[in-house]
Amino acid sequence: DTAVSQTPKYLVTQMGNDKSIKCEQNLGHDTMYWYKQDSKKFLKIMFSYNNKELIINETVPNRFSPKSPDKAHLNLHINSLELGDSAVYFCASSQARGTTEAFFGQGTRLTVV
Amino acid sequence: AQSVTQLGSHVSVSEGALVLLRCNYSSSVPPYLFWYVQYPNQGLQLLLKYTSAATLVKGINGFEAEFKKSETSFHLTKPSAHMSDAAEYFCAVRNQGGSEKLVFGKGTKLTVNP
Repeated sequence: DTAVSQTPKYLVTQMGNDKSIKCEQNLGHDTMYWYKQDSKKFLKIMFSYNNKELIINETVPNRFSPKSPDKAHLNLHINSLELGDSAVYFCASSQARGTTEAFFGQGTRLTVV
Repeated sequence: AQSVTQLGSHVSVSEGALVLLRCNYSSSVPPYLFWYVQYPNQGLQLLLKYTSAATLVKGINGFEAEFKKSETSFHLTKPSAHMSDAAEYFCAVRNQGGSEKLVFGKGTKLTVNP
């Protein structure tokens, strides 16, 4: 069983569209994250949730809205997609606050055309 | 604020040679430190982590790293490179008991030549 799974793996869409990426973890972790990896491979955190509560919200356009229906799921919805949103988005989870490593999904490669 | 600097965006070694990937951190409190590896078109996989136990940490695939507080470093080494080690390597830091987030370095691409 995949520990952290994201869908879809690839997403190609036109500018202005709205899209969602889903993430699920079966590790029983309390904390989940969204990271963005740009074309230069730089990884930057976007959001973090702990037990469905938003605890980190970095400087991200409000077109990006995370939603955590339960502690095993963290979805990312993006409105009015722009060319600059093209990147690989990684979901991750960790067991406890600030003490352990994060486990990453396989990533979603978003291409906006 | 915590940060990580990885010296060298590209490192090239010959198969069988020593691998040394450098990581220096900046943190106001004792940190947790991690090395992740990313193979092409894949997610990040944890290689090893330092969580204030032993300063020499052994990881998977023959990698190890040594935490040196005096040098604020956590360099990754492997005695003998294998072709399958070619990948992107990321050092990351997280403050103990503080911010939830992992802060990553910019990555080092390792190339292994036959």
